Amino acid sequence: GQQVKQSSPSLTVQEGGISILNCDYENDMFDYFAWYKKYPDNSPTLLISVRSNVDKREDGRLTVFLNKSGKHFSLHITASQPEDTAVYLCAAGITGNTGKLIFGLGTTLQVQP
Amino acid sequence: DAAVTQKPRYLIKMKGQEAEMKCIPEKGHTAVFWYQQKQSKELKFLIYFQNQQPLDQIDMVKERFSAVCPSSSLCSLGIRTCEAEDSALYLCSSSQSAGYEQYFGPGTRLTVL
Repeated sequence: GQQVKQSSPSLTVQEGGISILNCDYENDMFDYFAWYKKYPDNSPTLLISVRSNVDKREDGRLTVFLNKSGKHFSLHITASQPEDTAVYLCAAGITGNTGKLIFGLGTTLQVQP
Repeated sequence: DAAVTQKPRYLIKMKGQEAEMKCIPEKGHTAVFWYQQKQSKELKFLIYFQNQQPLDQIDMVKERFSAVCPSSSLCSLGIRTCEAEDSALYLCSSSQSAGYEQYFGPGTRLTVL
């Protein structure tokens, strides 16, 4: 089964609103969590990542929240803009292992002007 | 532009032919990963190199692929006998070391006819 799940395949938000993208995971050994942005026909670009020793990390308009007990992490994008429209991939890994990432299927975010 | 380089960007092979794709990791990165992404599927881990040594790979790679990193600045992924199911986007990523942030190249899109 999928170890990392993005239950919402798509999300539409109005410009200026907050986009909330969610990711659930199964393996409680995961200690590294990342969000990537992907445009069609482009490769994933790393947006932000956190390790399990923190439950929140902010970088500009982006905030990652980690809920270890719930095996859930989310990406919040404030003041969403049309250029935020893309596919967002969540990924998790075990840093003490090979470091390979397990990816979700992705959520397509559309920010409407 | 991605600091990780991949060539070629597009590759078309007939069933039964051999395929080879190359990756130049970001300078100074010692960990290299290959992932496969099929249409509407999640990125799937294939193989991981640390300091040019393969340390983790899935069974499919052991059986049908050939992957090497002859130098710290070049890795290659080959398919000995292409099958239609191998049609996918092959992404290479590199990181400072295992367990650190991974940065992706633009990918090689393989089509097997």
